[in-house]
Amino acid sequence: EAGVAQSPRYKIIEKRQSVAFWCNPISGHATLYWYQQILGQGPKLLIQFQNNGVVDDSQLPKDRFSAERLKGVDSTLKIQPAKLEDSAVYLCASSLDRSGNEQFFGPGTRLTVL
Amino acid sequence: GQSLEQPSEVTAVEGAIVQINCTYQTSGFYGLSWYQQHDGGAPTFLSYNGLDGLEETGRFSSFLSRSDSYGYLLLQELQMKDSASYFCAVRNSGYALNFGKGTSLLVTP
Repeated sequence: EAGVAQSPRYKIIEKRQSVAFWCNPISGHATLYWYQQILGQGPKLLIQFQNNGVVDDSQLPKDRFSAERLKGVDSTLKIQPAKLEDSAVYLCASSLDRSGNEQFFGPGTRLTVL
Repeated sequence: GQSLEQPSEVTAVEGAIVQINCTYQTSGFYGLSWYQQHDGGAPTFLSYNGLDGLEETGRFSSFLSRSDSYGYLLLQELQMKDSASYFCAVRNSGYALNFGKGTSLLVTP
């Protein structure tokens, strides 16, 4: 079975620019997560979708970050405008159901903001 | 709020056994998960404990004591490929996973 796909794998932008990341979860997985992982730390949940509805976005900086999961499959995460502290790896994960006891992670997008 | 504590670094010899501890403080605790992450790679799921006791999967075992807010990951017959970061993560009633800062395991010959 194909894993979680993410693109791009790497992105370098200047501060105040915009950037978007794309994620395609494992087929049939209802729950999709976006995490931010800063170097040397564990992943931090940004937003969790159940199908195309938001379950948890309490840690999403909504003044600059947005995410959507139209049709309950693919998802995009956008940062606008980017700040230096947004430099991190953005991980997408999916799980079969909302319990999320076993999550499958994609390879991530490494974002560098200059 | 939530907090998780795990050692930042552990070193062990190939073939040995190593235990990585995790203590947590959270409300609405549902379970404890463990993930492995190699440098530059994605986290991969190792185990989940929803109830007290030991869960065994091959060379890896995970333990949970809800009364002590404590768990550990036990790796046996260490191999060089086990060198990686290991994260404990708490699942709360809101279904979100809160990850610890990770333990960097170095396996030496």
